[in-house]
Amino acid sequence: QSALTQPRSVSGSPGQSVTISCTGSSSDVGAYDFVSWYRHHPGKGPTLMIYDVTQRPSGVPDRFSGSKSGNTASLTISGLQAEDEADYYCSTYAGSPGGVFGGGTKLTVL
Amino acid sequence: QVQLVESGGGVVQPGRSLRLSCAASGFTFGAYGMHWVRQAPGKGLEWVAVISNDGSNKYYVDSVKGRFTISRDNSKNTLYLQMNSLRTDDTAVYYCVKDPQSFSWYYFHYWGQGTLVTVSS
Repeated sequence: QSALTQPRSVSGSPGQSVTISCTGSSSDVGAYDFVSWYRHHPGKGPTLMIYDVTQRPSGVPDRFSGSKSGNTASLTISGLQAEDEADYYCSTYAGSPGGVFGGGTKLTVL
Repeated sequence: QVQLVESGGGVVQPGRSLRLSCAASGFTFGAYGMHWVRQAPGKGLEWVAVISNDGSNKYYVDSVKGRFTISRDNSKNTLYLQMNSLRTDDTAVYYCVKDPQSFSWYYFHYWGQGTLVTVSS
């Protein structure tokens, strides 16, 4: 399975909104509604932010939202805060064990 | 709350072995599948292996098949990864990850802090 494609970096100012894309194919992102997103602060373990394309685990603020159109999924973070600066990874179930991850996007809060 | 604490990482020479452990707490360990996911320096996340809640089913990424073995002891709430014939490209931070179900990979629910494995001569 090929890795999902994410932009290397995105940035935004506090209070603004940013969107991170995650592009796969009709065999993975386009085939299943099991896209998930993870926030990863260096030196810590990743945190699940979105699962099943649009669902937020308890404790994740509603500033984080997910969507999908065709073979591309997106994570939108509104009302950017300094603590949102981190690496973000998408992942999807693709039938075979383990699924596939994106290459990661570094979010910089200006 | 869910806690996953990895241990056992370190520096090891190519060809040697290492066993990672993950102590789980805050949930019914024996009810959930568990994964190992790794991140090489400067790289993204890579799924390594999964084990079902009762240990009867296991899968691995192709690059570690025949070298790594995932196992669990539900009486000790502990997950293991036995890594043999280590290679330099196995160098990574290894994360212990809780599955949302007994055996799936729909998403990765809770992650540990990770343990660093460095394979170098």
